[in-house]
Amino acid sequence: SAVISQKPSRDICQRGTSLTIQCQVDSQVTMMFWYRQQPGQSLTLIATANQGSEATYESGFVIDKFPISRPNLTFSTLTVSNMSPEDSSIYLCSVDRTGSSYNEQFFGPGTRLTVL
Amino acid sequence: DAKTTQPPSMDCAEGRAANLPCNHSTISGNEYVYWYRQIHSQGPQYIIHGLKNNETNEMASLIITEDRKSSTLILPHATLRDTAVYYCIVRLLQYSSASKIIFGSGTRLSIRP
Repeated sequence: SAVISQKPSRDICQRGTSLTIQCQVDSQVTMMFWYRQQPGQSLTLIATANQGSEATYESGFVIDKFPISRPNLTFSTLTVSNMSPEDSSIYLCSVDRTGSSYNEQFFGPGTRLTVL
Repeated sequence: DAKTTQPPSMDCAEGRAANLPCNHSTISGNEYVYWYRQIHSQGPQYIIHGLKNNETNEMASLIITEDRKSSTLILPHATLRDTAVYYCIVRLLQYSSASKIIFGSGTRLSIRP
């Protein structure tokens, strides 16, 4: 299995500010994924982050709002920029286990963000 | 968009089998059926996956119809700890950029004592 940690675990932020969420994996992985889960809702994929290339964003998400870094095979960051109360969500990092015979995707514990 | 449809909620008595249905009528030949669950305030957890044969592991059994258009996840002896949202997902088996997980609405399973 893959052990994933996220920082911070939760935060309360003011409107108009930005927050960077860190995701650390205990093994090298090629693909990392960022999801958003709004209150009472299912998970929505924000983007796929490959090491050494630009992140690929899903419809409705743009790089200016959610810039992503992927400096190496064990780490990624997601920034939520110019926040508004509508950005209040749980943000989850996820990875596919490298070298597995099938795709088993692991999820981090999430970052609970509240924007006032 | 998610390629699966599930009932929004179900309940089951503790100790009984919980049977969670999923429709995936547009599944393609090289896509697998995966099940995940999300216990409150935690990240989703992998349960089981399959292509066309029935599968069983220590957590659950997966029954896939012959036409592959639907499946059922079976928790044989549900406990209170099985209370969670269960997601049925179709995705490619082999790792690729196309194998990202798209979540549907899931089924909220409540286990009653």
